[in-house]
Amino acid sequence: RKEVEQDPGPFNVPEGATVAFNCTYSNSASQSFFWYRQDCRKEPKLLMSVYSSGNEDGRFTAQLNRASQYISLLIRDSKLSDSATYLCVVNRGGGSYIPTFGRGTSLIVHP
Amino acid sequence: ETGVTQTPRHLVMGMTNKKSLKCEQHLGHNAMYWYKQSAKKPLELMFVYNFKEQTENNSVPSRFSPECPNSSHLFLHLHTLQPEDSALYLCASSQDWGRDQPQHFGDGTRLSIL
Repeated sequence: RKEVEQDPGPFNVPEGATVAFNCTYSNSASQSFFWYRQDCRKEPKLLMSVYSSGNEDGRFTAQLNRASQYISLLIRDSKLSDSATYLCVVNRGGGSYIPTFGRGTSLIVHP
Repeated sequence: ETGVTQTPRHLVMGMTNKKSLKCEQHLGHNAMYWYKQSAKKPLELMFVYNFKEQTENNSVPSRFSPECPNSSHLFLHLHTLQPEDSALYLCASSQDWGRDQPQHFGDGTRLSIL
């Protein structure tokens, strides 16, 4: 099992739709989780950290499920500008802070 | 405007050349990173520096040689690279090296090896 796995997509949704991505991780000792956004041929940018209690920022909600070892990202009322690749990042844990990136999930929002 | 600046943006070099990538961060961060991003593959961490000291070398071949003269600058010296080293090389920084530390990335250097 890969350390961090994401469905590469693409997820093709109309404007206004609600879309959710999951990211599974293999190391139960992992403690830190993030979602980044990467536009085509651009650098990754932090979208949000994922806390045990969940985290909401406007239209974006991130959740952590430790029992099943996955994190999720929910986007409500999708905008055309949300089209990007969403990267899941998990710190290795167990005393290691090494961040492990998923391959990313591609989202295309169409009119 | 990014707080992490990388130069050059694009680099084409032969396998016998020597070149260097430069990264500078203006965020007052203490930790800096080099990543490699190849097509269809996830970002791979290469090196981590914390307060100018190398804390991680993620099994990177010796043809890649990092240098961190101070907390604001990071270099990646390249020598005798292979075609499979063609990729986007990203520099990042964070306040400190540790858990719960989000990273800020530069625009990257797109490297092509002939």
